[in-house]
Amino acid sequence: GENVEQHPSTLSVQEGDSAVIKCTYSDSASNYFPWYKQELGKGPQLIIDIRSNVGEKKDQRIAVTLNKTAKHFSLHITETQPEDSAVYFCAASMRDSSYKLIFGSGTRLLVRP
Amino acid sequence: DAGVTQSPTHLIKTRGQHVTLRCSPISGHKSVSWYQQVLGQGPQFIFQYYEKEERGRGNFPDRFSARQFPNYSSELNVNALLLGDSALYLCASSLFFSGGSGNTIYFGEGSWLTVV
Repeated sequence: GENVEQHPSTLSVQEGDSAVIKCTYSDSASNYFPWYKQELGKGPQLIIDIRSNVGEKKDQRIAVTLNKTAKHFSLHITETQPEDSAVYFCAASMRDSSYKLIFGSGTRLLVRP
Repeated sequence: DAGVTQSPTHLIKTRGQHVTLRCSPISGHKSVSWYQQVLGQGPQFIFQYYEKEERGRGNFPDRFSARQFPNYSSELNVNALLLGDSALYLCASSLFFSGGSGNTIYFGEGSWLTVV
């Protein structure tokens, strides 16, 4: 069935280090892969997204890579800062009659000052 | 421009009651989706509406219903509330109903529902 697996569930890094979060998806027809950052008590905020016709996308300290053959995609955050601490969710769009996202289970990132 | 707006932000209901949650999409967006996020989990798809028609439904009971109005705003209704319905209910908007180029999905801040 439709499934997105996300690892790790928690990640603690020192300020200035890099953080990597990985996701795998089951539906080979998926074509859109957004990443959301969710702070306590708030809704998910889109931080970066990638479509299936692109292998990598960068936006300042954030990058996403996509391997369609292996059906996995990753979020890379460089030069982490304390304000990067939050829960990060990956998602994949499912190709059926609607436009819905299947989310991973989330990664709680803690950046230690 | 305003983002996706939802109301109310917080509410407490008793088991068996009914609740209505409201959402206004980003200006110009015609598609509205609803998601349920239980504490500690990722959001789960409930409904998608586009041009006032239901385009998709997730694995939720018939107690959950929704509609979209001519101005593209939307309501989510939940009848006969159960304790397990306690969650953050998120509204998301996008330009179109499918995953075409540039069709990004944006979320609102959500409505926190507590059922006691």
